Amino acid sequence: TAGITQAPTSQILAAGRSMTLRCTQDMRHNAMYWYRQDLGLGLRLIHYSNTAGTTGKGEVPDGYSVSRANTDDFPLTLASAVPSQTSVYFCASSDSEATGELFFGEGSRLTVL
Amino acid sequence: GQNIDQPTEMTATEGAIVQINCTYQTSGFNGLFWYQQHAGEAPTFLSYNVLDGLEEKGRFSSFLSRSKGYSYLLLKELQMKDSASYLCAAMDSNYQLIWGAGTKLIIKP
Repeated sequence: TAGITQAPTSQILAAGRSMTLRCTQDMRHNAMYWYRQDLGLGLRLIHYSNTAGTTGKGEVPDGYSVSRANTDDFPLTLASAVPSQTSVYFCASSDSEATGELFFGEGSRLTVL
Repeated sequence: GQNIDQPTEMTATEGAIVQINCTYQTSGFNGLFWYQQHAGEAPTFLSYNVLDGLEEKGRFSSFLSRSKGYSYLLLKELQMKDSASYLCAAMDSNYQLIWGAGTKLIIKP
């Protein structure tokens, strides 16, 4: 069972370049999320989507954009990467926005130089 | 503001019992969650408490006191594979999860 698939697993990116992190789930979950995880900090929500066609801003949305064209896919785009966006990015999904039982992808480690 | 506090690191011995504490302050409350995260891997869901009391699930138990804004995760009969970070998260009135920074648990033989 695939669950949630993220790509790429890791990437080194030059500052100023754009990058899209891909996330696909096969559980037909309504809600999807993008988090970043940095050493010493809790998971921070970047953007979320409660259902296909809708998105919302989380705690740290600046510099990131998302789209939710269908139930399965939730890509995260960095339009012009900066070194402070160096982080591990996790995509997650849940059956609904009202449940805290999230299923996470394996993460994408991004380094911006 | 909303906040989750949990210890940064704890050490325990294989076969022993360890309790990881978590205190939370949120705008409203819709549940307390514990996740396990092995180094380099994704977090995985462990437990959920919304009412006061203890929830037991095998070697792991989770306790909640809503009046004190307090939870703990109890791990019994520790095994080396329990070495991981344990993340506490509280859900606020808007169904947003507020995450703690995690407690790194080191198990020694």
